[in-house]
This record gives sequence, structure tokens and C-alpha cells, in this order.
Amino acid sequence: EVQLVESGGGLVKPGGSLRLSCAASGFTFSNAWMNWVRQVPGKGLEWVGQIKRKTDGGTADYAAPVRGRFTISRDDAKNTLYLQMNSLKIEDTAVYYCTRRGGTGLMSYYHAMDVWGQGTTVTVSS
Amino acid sequence: DIQMTQSPSSLSASVGDRVTITCRTSQNIGFYLNWFQHKPGKAPNLLIYGAANLQSGVPSRFSGSGSGTDFTLTISSLQPEDFATYYCQQSYNTPRTFGQGTKVEIK
Repeated sequence: EVQLVESGGGLVKPGGSLRLSCAASGFTFSNAWMNWVRQVPGKGLEWVGQIKRKTDGGTADYAAPVRGRFTISRDDAKNTLYLQMNSLKIEDTAVYYCTRRGGTGLMSYYHAMDVWGQGTTVTVSS
Repeated sequence: DIQMTQSPSSLSASVGDRVTITCRTSQNIGFYLNWFQHKPGKAPNLLIYGAANLQSGVPSRFSGSGSGTDFTLTISSLQPEDFATYYCQQSYNTPRTFGQGTKVEIK
């Protein structure tokens, strides 16, 4: 079964740091582009960033609100995606989802996010 | 960044109704438009990718159309399990922006 399981969420003070993990199973993780998406309470979905597979350069792109504070990385040997969050702000409070870009055919071509984890909650509060 | 304008922001409909949600983008994105369904406490679910391609396992009452800057998600006959929030998302470039969502409620 294809599955993504996030962990690492919790309560952190403004200015603090947190690292989220996303364990992947049921597919070849090293072949996948991966994303982080968040939902602030009562708001819509917001794309946080993506990381390409290593054969496509392995680089990461970020949304403007998190650029310079968040870092996406991957460990293909452990089938795990990470989101390092530094200098956290109250407005970073959200449920964070990791997602997979579909790996074949049109789903890959259109960068469709076809598998999502259940989410992990990050609360930034003093 | 590509701006997404989704409408309506909410709607009330009855079981069996035909429902249409529109999404407009601030620039031409070809067919790089995906639709998601999101229920509270659950992970979002991909419905449509590439503007009109139905994701495997998604009921055929869902369909997508459009290209360029104007897109539509249609539910041909609303079912009880379809009450949820729907989002469009452009995947033409990064940042991969979402629409603000359309909440479909029971009339």
C-alpha cells in the first residue's frame, strides 16, 4: 500500500525550530518529487515547497512566506522526507501534509499530487 | 506568482443537484490545473489532474474542463459523500498556488 506518514509536529514558541518527517512506503521514494502543503486553521490549502528527485537535480523550491526559514530535504536510503522549520512565526501554525507528485505519464507531466499523508499539527504559540 | 480565483466561495445544494465550480488563473497555464476534495480531519484527495483527467478511483460524476485561464469542476449528481471543500491548484510553475476553496454544503 502506498503510504505517507508525517510526524514531528507539536507546540513551539515563536522563534523556535521544529523538524517534521514524512516516512514513505509502498513506492520507490527515490524516484518521486515530494511536496509539503499546509492548512492554517480555518483557511485554505497553501503549498509550502517541493524537492525534486536526485536524478532531476534534487533541488528544492519554496513559497515566499517560508523561503529562507524552511528547508526541505530527503534521505532516499531511509525513504524519508524532512521539513526543517526555523524562526517559526505564529502564522506558521497549521496542519502540515507531505505529498507525492504522481510518478508516471500525465500525472507526472502535470505535477499532480496523488498521495497525501494524514498531516501533522504544528502550533506556534508563546 | 499565479493568482487563483475560485468561485463561488461556498454553495448550498441538494443531493442529486448538478454543481459547477469555476477557477480562473491570472495567466495562461495551459492544462496545468488540478482539483482536490478536502473533508475535515482527512487528507485532501486528488480528483482531476491536467484539467480534465479523472484520477483513478474517483467517481465518474466528477469531471473537469477548461484550458488557458478558465477552468470548471462539475459534479453531475451530488451525492451525500460529496459535501466537502474543493480546491483548484495550478501546477504550471512554482509556487504551486491553490484557489481559496469552495465549500459545498447541504441545502
